[in-house]
Amino acid sequence: QQQVKQSPQSLIVQKGGISIINCAYENTAFDYFPWYQQFPGKGPALLIAIRPDVSEKKEGRFTISFNKSAKQFSLHIMDSQPGDSATYFCAAISNFGNEKLTFGTGTRLTIIP
Amino acid sequence: DAGVTQSPTHLIKTRGQQVTLRCSPKSGHDTVSWYQQALGQGPQFIFQYYEEEERQRGNFPDRFSGHQFPNYSSELNVNALLLGDSALYLCASSWGSRANSPLHFGNGTRLTVT
Repeated sequence: QQQVKQSPQSLIVQKGGISIINCAYENTAFDYFPWYQQFPGKGPALLIAIRPDVSEKKEGRFTISFNKSAKQFSLHIMDSQPGDSATYFCAAISNFGNEKLTFGTGTRLTIIP
Repeated sequence: DAGVTQSPTHLIKTRGQQVTLRCSPKSGHDTVSWYQQALGQGPQFIFQYYEEEERQRGNFPDRFSGHQFPNYSSELNVNALLLGDSALYLCASSWGSRANSPLHFGNGTRLTVT
């Protein structure tokens, strides 16, 4: 069962543009939503995370928007740069009971000059 | 401060063989989780070790087993390898057993089963 659905599968954005990646979840017990960035040949690295008690979190050029009622959250990358080209994974976990981190299927982001 | 280290980086095995992958957690971390990442997919949780015990397990058969040592390092063992076991195996470490403790991933072991 796919508990975290991620879209799009791939995304091409021009340098300086805004990259937007969307995720939707089913399990209402999820209470922590991290985003990971993965470069080829490397393991995923934590980028930014949000809890459902806030609707938005910003760190530099990266912003998470969270809609609890719709069970959706998204990653916005402002002023996208070629160095942002990577695969991005959303994930979700519940701090109670089921402790496994559930990942989305990933979005391959390419920033073109 | 060394991050999560995994060995070997690449491995080629034949169907039916057994394999052992190793992981040393980030300094100060005591919890190790293992993930399988198939090509083009997100990581799938295999299991988590804390205090040398398996705490949680994902939907993987008993052919997948693990161990955590007193120094917090960990091994993942896979028996009777199948072609479908070909994947990137990721180790992640964290501090404490809280579910939302940030995970730090290693660069993985690429296993190819022929």
